[in-house]
Amino acid sequence: AQSVTQLGSHVSVSEGALVLLRCNYSSSVPPYLFWYVQYPNQGLQLLLKYTSAATLVKGINGFEAEFKKSETSFHLTKPSAHMSDAAEYFCAVSDRFGNEKLTFGTGTRLTIIP
Amino acid sequence: DTAVSQTPKYLVTQMGNDKSIKCEQNLGHDTMYWYKQDSKKFLKIMFSYNNKELIINETVPNRFSPKSPDKAHLNLHINSLELGDSAVYFCASSLNRNSGANVLTFGAGSRLTVL
Repeated sequence: AQSVTQLGSHVSVSEGALVLLRCNYSSSVPPYLFWYVQYPNQGLQLLLKYTSAATLVKGINGFEAEFKKSETSFHLTKPSAHMSDAAEYFCAVSDRFGNEKLTFGTGTRLTIIP
Repeated sequence: DTAVSQTPKYLVTQMGNDKSIKCEQNLGHDTMYWYKQDSKKFLKIMFSYNNKELIINETVPNRFSPKSPDKAHLNLHINSLELGDSAVYFCASSLNRNSGANVLTFGAGSRLTVL
């Protein structure tokens, strides 16, 4: 069985500050890992995904995440927060053997302080 | 042109009623999903269809019945609605079922409130 744990249900950062959202995964097989973002009253959209040997993954809107197998982590970062980054962020895991089920974490609400 | 569209966006109804939510995707994807997001934002898969065939059926009460008339449509019918069914229901689609790397494209959600 796979699972993800997102540490911190709420994170607040000042505009221009570093954004760090934490995600740890558990998987008995090599995982595929995703970050999705949900803006208010909208569906989820993909920020980035890890599916290969490139452990540092760059996504949209200046976000990136690093896959660290030794730490079973896939933390999301952005060097400088923007007001438009305020949203709910979800980490998710699936496996590379064709399992259709994407398992989501409980989400982290990011608030940007002006 | 919306890729994954759901109707209705909002649904308010009384306990015991039956309601349906419709979903259509114009991406040419083979696989479609229903997810439930509760009040704490937790997302859980309910069903998945691949080319009209049911492939994932999580532990969901019998009152929930998905129907896929063709691979571009996946509807969700709920009988005898209960208070605990109040949630946001998301439809999603992906290219196919053959890879865990498939990206899901989500609809905007249907907020169901049961009174």
